[in-house]
Amino acid sequence: EDKVVQSPLSLVVHEGDTVTLNCSYEVTNFRSLLWYKQEKKAPTFLFMLTSSGIEKKSGRLSSILDKKELFSILNITATQTGDSAIYLCAVVVDNAGNMLTFGGGTRLMVKP
Amino acid sequence: GAVVSQHPSRVICKSGTSVKIECRSLDFQATTMFWYRQFPKQSLMLMATSNEGSKATYEQGVEKDKFLINHASLTLSTLTVTSAHPEDSSFYICSARRQLLGTEAFFGQGTRLTVV
Repeated sequence: EDKVVQSPLSLVVHEGDTVTLNCSYEVTNFRSLLWYKQEKKAPTFLFMLTSSGIEKKSGRLSSILDKKELFSILNITATQTGDSAIYLCAVVVDNAGNMLTFGGGTRLMVKP
Repeated sequence: GAVVSQHPSRVICKSGTSVKIECRSLDFQATTMFWYRQFPKQSLMLMATSNEGSKATYEQGVEKDKFLINHASLTLSTLTVTSAHPEDSSFYICSARRQLLGTEAFFGQGTRLTVV
């Protein structure tokens, strides 16, 4: 059975801190890994990773994939209260590239 | 960018009634759409895969007679919660991807269903 595990489950930090969110996976047919941010409604897309060792960066957020060790990390530097959200990791597991298996999410709270 | 529109965003219904949720891909064709359910403080749980022109594929434990899915066109999938009960109250989200491999999934805005 395909499995995607995120850690920690929840995290409380203060503004300005740096956080690292983890996502490990065990799937039979890995295609790509996606990170999403979910606030009050639907998830919004952050990154898609397909190749090992290539960092993707967007402002204060960055992410990297390790296909040998089967995990990805999402880094957020200089956190702000607006970063408070649930961060979801999902793995694409079918050849057509359609089906996502989600991790349980990490709930991040950034305090002023 | 691609947009997936979901409607309604919020619905309250009485026990025993049915509720239909629509998911539309606005600027691309989606032969496959996905329906997720999310409980408070939990992640997204895949309910079913909606296939255009054929029957939906349901995940284990999801009642297909209760959650009816219809994908009649390349841009529209509907989820009907039949004979709703309070335990069906949840957040339902649809998603779709473009035909080509390598693009992210686009999500609808989600529908918060409350059954009273």
